[in-house]
Amino acid sequence: KQEVTQIPAALSVPEGENLVLNCSFTDSAIYNLQWFRQDPGKGLTSLLLIQSSQREQTSGRLNASLDKSSGRSTLYIAASQPGDSATYLCAVRPLNNNAGNMLTFGGGTRLMVKP
Amino acid sequence: NAGVMQNPRHLVRRRGQEARLRCSPMKGHSHVYWYRQLPEEGLKFMVYLQKENIIDESGMPKERFSAEFPKEGPSILRIQQVVRGDSAAYFCASSPAGYNNSPLHFGNGTRLTVT
Repeated sequence: KQEVTQIPAALSVPEGENLVLNCSFTDSAIYNLQWFRQDPGKGLTSLLLIQSSQREQTSGRLNASLDKSSGRSTLYIAASQPGDSATYLCAVRPLNNNAGNMLTFGGGTRLMVKP
Repeated sequence: NAGVMQNPRHLVRRRGQEARLRCSPMKGHSHVYWYRQLPEEGLKFMVYLQKENIIDESGMPKERFSAEFPKEGPSILRIQQVVRGDSAAYFCASSPAGYNNSPLHFGNGTRLTVT
């Protein structure tokens, strides 16, 4: 059974810092990995999707890496801003064809960027 | 192009009542997924549906919970005889048919409070 763990559970940094969020998963048989952002009381916004054959994906100040063999992904946020404050979730999609787009989520990292 | 629409946004029910949560997937999407987020916990998969078919309901409690996605109309998650432990945010997500690398799109959720 796939398990996804995110460390740290919470993080508080001053504005402008570069930071790294970690995600690990126990079963490397994944189709892809997604990073999401969740604001309080809101739904999830997809940030980056990395296919299993890829090593990293970039979007603006965000960079996500994937090391499938070791079961790890990192989300790097450059020059953090107060608007980045949110909960960041990683989720993996299994390789199983019958599983559709079912995702297993980590518990999230709650990020606070202080002005 | 409207995203995934869920209603109601907030739902209050007394213990023993029924809760009906609705989800309209994104236009062109025929696969729907329901997730539950308990307070201070990550998202847990409940059920995966395609039009008129339940594909996987392994994450849904065997009793009191049911889901459907009819040929016409939204997907419905139904909880009978609600209990306080059902209080949570329920999220719906959708994706297009086919085994592809499209990200999962989430609605803003329905927050159920059982009093």
